[in-house]
Amino acid sequence: QKEVEQDPGPLSVPEGAIVSLNCTYSNSAFQYFMWYRQYSRKGPELLMYTYSSGNKEDGRFTAQVDKSSKYISLFIRDSQPSDSATYLCAASSGNTPLVFGKGTRLSVIA
Amino acid sequence: GAGVSQTPSNKVTEKGKYVELRCDPISGHTALYWYRQSLGQGPEFLIYFQGTGAADDSGLPNDRFFAVRPEGSVSTLKIQRTERGDSAVYLCASSLIGGTGGWTEAFFGQGTRLTVV
Repeated sequence: QKEVEQDPGPLSVPEGAIVSLNCTYSNSAFQYFMWYRQYSRKGPELLMYTYSSGNKEDGRFTAQVDKSSKYISLFIRDSQPSDSATYLCAASSGNTPLVFGKGTRLSVIA
Repeated sequence: GAGVSQTPSNKVTEKGKYVELRCDPISGHTALYWYRQSLGQGPEFLIYFQGTGAADDSGLPNDRFFAVRPEGSVSTLKIQRTERGDSAVYLCASSLIGGTGGWTEAFFGQGTRLTVV
């Protein structure tokens, strides 16, 4: 079992839809949880970062972490075609390199 | 430059050859990471440098892979006797500090796409 599991999709939604992306993890030592966005043939770029359990909102994006169930979520409201990319969840205990999920490929159709 | 720079962008090599991949981190970043991303997969950790020393090389798949960072800035990932299974995008990232608790954002380069034929 990989330490971070993520459904690779692909996921296709109409413009304006609410998108829900999810990951699970197995390592209880993970304290830091991130979502990266990766456009085709580009490096990942940090979208959201959360420490421990809770919610964090940034514009149209909301990240949620539930440590009791080891579940990580990213919600995108009013999705736009420019949101079409691969979304990678990642986790770290703080003194270890990031462990990534497989990534979910999202297409937002105009 | 402002971001992490990786060269070359693309590298095609024959099976059995030796390759070097270069990473120029953001100026002042002490931590540097190498990841490998195969098609349809997330990045997989290879090695992490804190300054000049390799703080964690547990992700290197075998002894054909080696990385250096002699002056604590530029890093080179070296692959000997390349195999077709080494084909992937090799990503480099840097952060202001690393390890020792807490977390700081890691900035990624655009990657080097290695194809072994």
